[in-house]
Amino acid sequence: EDQVTQSPEALRLQEGESSSLNCSYTVSGLRGLFWYRQDPGKGPEFLFTLYSAGEEKEKERLKATLTKKESFLHITAPKPEDSATYLCAVQARGDSNYQLIWGAGTKLIIKP
Amino acid sequence: GAVVSQHPSRVICKSGTSVKIECRSLDFQATTMFWYRQFPKQSLMLMATSNEGSKATYEQGVEKDKFLINHASLTLSTLTVTSAHPEDSSFYICSARPLQTSVAYNEQFFGPGTRLTVL
Repeated sequence: EDQVTQSPEALRLQEGESSSLNCSYTVSGLRGLFWYRQDPGKGPEFLFTLYSAGEEKEKERLKATLTKKESFLHITAPKPEDSATYLCAVQARGDSNYQLIWGAGTKLIIKP
Repeated sequence: GAVVSQHPSRVICKSGTSVKIECRSLDFQATTMFWYRQFPKQSLMLMATSNEGSKATYEQGVEKDKFLINHASLTLSTLTVTSAHPEDSSFYICSARPLQTSVAYNEQFFGPGTRLTVL
């Protein structure tokens, strides 16, 4: 069964303290792995798509990496405005509807 | 680019009434639109997938007669919650997937969500 597990559930960091969020997945043929950011009361905001092991993408203080079993979202010198829930999802290669299989998310809190 | 709007953002209605939520892709055409429901402190739960001009495909446990989905054009999908009851109160979010000709055709772009409260 296709599955996505994110850890930790919640992470509290001081401003400037770098860390990583983990997304482990099992899927019958990976088409893509997606990272989204969601603020309270809003829809998810697209961050990255990763397609193959070894791929990396960066955006401001965020960097996403991918292996055959997991993805990491590295956050460097975070600021309070980076506080949000970060969602990871995978898409199976054989799915003609391009549905996403979601993890439960990691709630990131950055304290000033 | 890749902006999706939802209307209304909030709605409060009485039990037994119907509520329609609109989802529009503003700067791209969408092959597929998805409707999700999200409970507090939980991840997204897919309700249904709809392709333009076709009937929606509903996930197991989602009543198709209660949650009517219409996808009449490549930029508009609507979700109608019929005979709403308090247990239908939730945060409803739509997403849209660009056409196959787009470089972003694998991705889903989300609307801001609609908070439904049924009294």
